Amino acid sequence: GESVGLHLPTLSVQEGDNSIINCAYSNSASDYFIWYKQESGKGPQFIIDIRSNMDKRQGQRVTVLLNKTVKHLSLQIAATQPGDSAVYFCAEDSSGTYKYIFGTGTRLKVLA
Amino acid sequence: NAGVMQNPRHLVRRRGQEARLRCSPVKGHSHVYWYRQLPEEGLKFMVYLQKENIIDESGMPKERFSAEFPKEGPSILRIQQVVRGDSAAYFCASSHRQGAYNEQFFGPGTRLTVL
Repeated sequence: GESVGLHLPTLSVQEGDNSIINCAYSNSASDYFIWYKQESGKGPQFIIDIRSNMDKRQGQRVTVLLNKTVKHLSLQIAATQPGDSAVYFCAEDSSGTYKYIFGTGTRLKVLA
Repeated sequence: NAGVMQNPRHLVRRRGQEARLRCSPVKGHSHVYWYRQLPEEGLKFMVYLQKENIIDESGMPKERFSAEFPKEGPSILRIQQVVRGDSAAYFCASSHRQGAYNEQFFGPGTRLTVL
């Protein structure tokens, strides 16, 4: 289930189940969104991106959904594996800028 | 693997000392970005540089912090007279070009601890 800890919200899922990580973005002018995965002690690793002219994009085992009406982004991970355990950040960008605005992150824990 | 390289990976300084963080972008990338991450938080933009130019330093504290990206060599983030509040992970990212839909590739970060 999902819980809110002192800092990062944590999502715990059973291995093999699907995971859904949510993100509310802040700037209605943002038109580019990226999901990053950050493992402990490492830098953010690109997972998937989506432009504002799309509402869904699929990658390998991952799907990003964008709802511009409510400024909401989600990352779906199919058949979650232990290696998916990490903190996931959404980031937003506005056309012509370069200052990624990162969300606070969600910690994903995969239970064996 | 010719990704973004940062060194040192870990840096310990006493209050009042200087910290120098280095970043070598992906080969061929001429745009460098520095971000700071406090524990359990997202990354916060600090500065954006191109070769020999600071494009935007709006996220960087006005005092004690400076950044450069010389024509030759790595980008340097310099923190003078460090204080405990500077303790954080500092990440560098690089991109091939500026503008929209432009993926930034991140390095492994430098974890600064100020004693």
